[in-house]
Amino acid sequence: GQNIDQPTEMTATEGAIVQINCTYQTSGFNGLFWYQQHAGEAPTFLSYNVLDGLEEKGRLSSFLILSKGYSDLQLKDLQMKDSASYLCAVSSTDSWGKLQFGAGTQVVVTP
Amino acid sequence: DAGITQSPRHKVTETGTPVTLRCHQTENHRYMYWYRQDPGHGLRLIHYSYGVKDTDKGEVSDGYSVSRSKTEDFLLTLESATSSQTSVYFCAISDSAGEQETQYFGPGTRLLVL
Repeated sequence: GQNIDQPTEMTATEGAIVQINCTYQTSGFNGLFWYQQHAGEAPTFLSYNVLDGLEEKGRLSSFLILSKGYSDLQLKDLQMKDSASYLCAVSSTDSWGKLQFGAGTQVVVTP
Repeated sequence: DAGITQSPRHKVTETGTPVTLRCHQTENHRYMYWYRQDPGHGLRLIHYSYGVKDTDKGEVSDGYSVSRSKTEDFLLTLESATSSQTSVYFCAISDSAGEQETQYFGPGTRLLVL
């Protein structure tokens, strides 16, 4: 099976940077996804990592260290609209075609 | 945005009644998934489909059945609803199940079982 851990909640100030971490335990790692979910809405895809290193997309970057079972999602220049839950999800060759989701990190952006 | 719709969007029903939720896609994606989302548990997979008439169980499949008779439709049925099935249900689709099987989600169905 897979265990995925991420903090329950984080608070940050508008204009600042927030970094959300995700640790996982899985055999046959096959990729890690980050999703954003606003309250009452569906999750939307943010980023994908399968190799060690950094993926950048505008204000957002995601980082993966395979040997540590670790990923983090960094959001720069935070805006009020970034207040949402951020979900980490892992794909494994042991569960082909299925993703295992963490419980999500609620990010609260304050003025 | 992926063309995924779910119906109904909201439903209130009574314990013991059957309920069917529908997921419809216009993307011709092969893979479809049903999840439930509850506070503190995140998204949990109920059932998934890898093609017409090809389905398999997820981690929380008890009390649920699915059918997929057409590529575009994936139905989730609660044969006899229970209060523990009160939840938000999301359908998702993906085009592949390999390395980059990004899943795209429908808007969700809020189900209340009284």
